[in-house]
Order: sequence, then C-alpha cells, then structure tokens
Amino acid sequence: QQQVKQSPQSLIVQKGGISIINCAYENTAFDYFPWYQQFPGKGPALLIAIRPDVSEKKEGRFTISFNKSAKQFSLHIMDSQPGDSATYFCAASSGNSGGYQKVTFGTGTKLQVIP
Amino acid sequence: KAGVTQTPRYLIKTRGQQVTLSCSPISGHRSVSWYQQTPGQGLQFLFEYFSETQRNKGNFPGRFSGRQFSNSRSEMNVSTLELGDSALYLCASSLGTYNTGELFFGEGSRLTVL
Repeated sequence: QQQVKQSPQSLIVQKGGISIINCAYENTAFDYFPWYQQFPGKGPALLIAIRPDVSEKKEGRFTISFNKSAKQFSLHIMDSQPGDSATYFCAASSGNSGGYQKVTFGTGTKLQVIP
Repeated sequence: KAGVTQTPRYLIKTRGQQVTLSCSPISGHRSVSWYQQTPGQGLQFLFEYFSETQRNKGNFPGRFSGRQFSNSRSEMNVSTLELGDSALYLCASSLGTYNTGELFFGEGSRLTVL
C-alpha cells in the first residue's frame, strides 16, 4: 500500500518560473517530512525537511508548505534554474521507541527547467 | 568526512545467478538501509540494519537478504535472480537514533539481469 502519493510524475518549467510538487500521506503517525533531490547517476540527497508543528519552511529558493489537516505537503522552487533539473522525492517518516525510523518515499517527480 | 560507498557500481548477471552488494556507511553511522529504485516505482524499502541486527524489513521475497558487520558495513544478497530484479540498489546510512531524520545515500549499484 503506497502511503505517500506524489504528483506530478514529470514537470517542465521555464527558467525563472515556479516549480510545484505535491504530496499526500495517509498515516497520521508520520512526524517528519523530508524532500530529496536526485541528479542522474547520483544517490538522493536531502534538500529540505519539515516537522508537522510548522506550516511552512523556507531555505533559499526552496519552500515546503505543510497542511496537517489535509495531510498534504508541497515543495515550491522559486526562480527555477536549469541546475534544478533533477528528480525530486517527497518522503515521510515515523519513529518508534526502539529508535527505528521508517522512511516512506513518494514515486518521484522528474523536473526539467528549460532556458 | 567520507560519504557512503557502494560497490560495485555496475554489474550484469543472468537469471538464476546470485549477487552480493556492499555498502560502507559514513563513519559513526550505525544504521544502514537498503532501497530498490526502479522507474515508476520510486524507492522501495528493502531492510534496515542497526548494530548488526535487522530492525525492519520491507515487502520483498526471501531471495533478498542482508547483513551488517561489527564495523557497520553492510551487504545485501539477491539469490536466484529474476529479470525484474534489474534496478538501482541504494544504500543509505544514518545515526539510527530516534527520529534523526536524514538519510545519507550512496550512488548505488546498478544491477542488470539478462
């Protein structure tokens, strides 16, 4: 059962535009929501993350918006650049008393920023 | 600080064979997780090891197995390979304590099964 749904599957944005990727989750036990960026031939790398006690987090051109009641969160890339072209994965995780955190990933969005 | 190292980076096998992939985590990280990445399926969780013990396992058949050594290095093994096992296998390390969040990924081992 897929617990994190991500859309769109692919996205083409012009340079300078805003890229928006959306994710929805089902498990209310999730308490950490990271976004990972993956370039071709590389492993995913953490881009930005948010916890459910805040509704928005901004780091440079990247912003996460979080709607706890709707169980949705999104990534906004402002002033998108060709160097942002990559695959983006949203994720959600929850821990337990044993220390283990299980991370569930969305299916990914391939972003292409055209000049 | 060295990152997560996976070997081999590329390998080609035939159906029925077995394969062993290796992962060296970041120094000080005690947790190692393995993921299978395929187009359209995203990152599918295989299993996670912490201090040589498997703490959690995904929904993969028993042909997929793993282990972790005392120095936190980990290996995963796939036996009786099938065409559908062709994928990028990613290893990720983390501190492994409660809700530390970030996973640090290696560049993966790309397996092709013919």
